Amino acid sequence: GQSLEQPSEVTAVEGAIVQINCTYQTSGFYGLSWYQQHDGGAPTFLSYNALDGLEETGRFSSFLSRSDSYGYLLLQELQMKDSASYFCAVGSNTGKLIFGQGTTLQVKP
Amino acid sequence: ETGVTQTPRHLVMGMTNKKSLKCEQHLGHNAMYWYKQSAKKPLELMFVYNFKEQTENNSVPSRFSPECPNSSHLFLHLHTLQPEDSALYLCASSQGGAGSAGNTIYFGEGSWLTVV
Repeated sequence: GQSLEQPSEVTAVEGAIVQINCTYQTSGFYGLSWYQQHDGGAPTFLSYNALDGLEETGRFSSFLSRSDSYGYLLLQELQMKDSASYFCAVGSNTGKLIFGQGTTLQVKP
Repeated sequence: ETGVTQTPRHLVMGMTNKKSLKCEQHLGHNAMYWYKQSAKKPLELMFVYNFKEQTENNSVPSRFSPECPNSSHLFLHLHTLQPEDSALYLCASSQGGAGSAGNTIYFGEGSWLTVV
């Protein structure tokens, strides 16, 4: 089966850097994705890693280590609007995308 | 605006009612999904359709019945639900199977369902 582990909550201050970790167990790994969801909104795609290493998109970066079944989302120069839930998700060879429980990020002034 | 539209946004229904949730995607995608999101739980995949054919039923009770008349529309028919079925139901679509080559899935805003 597939499972993902990520912290349930993270708190940081504006301007800081925060890292949200995700470990996973899956068969037929097809990449690690990250989604953001604001309260009352739809999850929206942030990033995708199929290969080891760091992918950077503006203030957000995502990292993957397939040998460790581990990845993280790095958010820099935090802003209040970054307060949201962040989900890691793994694709499988059966065509499914399975999500972690989500990490609630609270950014404080 | 994600290109995936869900109606209604909010629904309250009794346990003996029959209702339906509707989803329409304007992205030309081939795959559509229903997810359930409950408080403090991961997004739970319910059903997957590829080219109108159901390819995944994640052990969902039969009181939830999906229908996919074409690649752009997806329904979730609801009948004799239980209060524990109250949740946010999210529809999503992708170009192909979500597990392949990083296909991004695009979610609708969701339908908040309350069963009383």
